[in-house]
Amino acid sequence: DTAVSQTPKYLVTQMGNDKSIKCEQNLGHDTMYWYKQDSKKFLKIMFSYNNKELIINETVPNRFSPKSPDKAHLNLHINSLELGDSAVYFCASSQVFISRSNQPQHFGDGTRLSIL
Amino acid sequence: EDQVTQSPEALRLQEGESSSLNCSYTVSGLRGLFWYRQDPGKGPEFLFTLYSAGEEKEKERLKATLTKKESFLHITAPKPEDSATYLCAVQARSGNTGKLIFGQGTTLQVKP
Repeated sequence: DTAVSQTPKYLVTQMGNDKSIKCEQNLGHDTMYWYKQDSKKFLKIMFSYNNKELIINETVPNRFSPKSPDKAHLNLHINSLELGDSAVYFCASSQVFISRSNQPQHFGDGTRLSIL
Repeated sequence: EDQVTQSPEALRLQEGESSSLNCSYTVSGLRGLFWYRQDPGKGPEFLFTLYSAGEEKEKERLKATLTKKESFLHITAPKPEDSATYLCAVQARSGNTGKLIFGQGTTLQVKP
């Protein structure tokens, strides 16, 4: 069973379109994340949700809107796509609110977004 | 500002040639330092967590160590299957959000 799964794996679309990426985790974790990895493989946090509540919102254009229908799902919707949005987007999950423990984040295999 | 810098950016080794990857960090109180391995087309795969200076962890040919300013990932007698990008990340003590700050990674190539 895949622990953190993202769909789609590849997304090719034109500038100005709106698209969504879905993420699901079956690890029972309480926190989910979205990261963006640029062409130099630098991973940067975008958003994080804990039990459907937004807890991290980095400096990201408001064209990006995360939505968490329940603690096992975190989706990312992107409006008016721009060329600079081309990147690989990773979803991750972890169990944060456990005392005396630092649970590692588990990552999905990414969604490669290409803007034409 | 919390920051992570990894060096070298790329490393080529012959099979069996041991070496070390460096991760220098500045963070306002370290909650944990994480090492991940990333293969092409895949997400980062967790390797180790280190919590305090002096701590060491081992897994097969990999050994991670931690000081107050940096962490090393030592690779002993590497094999071609160790080829991957190795990512280091820190988690700050402040704000219990689980937020990770990543370095830019070291891409390791091991030639047979």
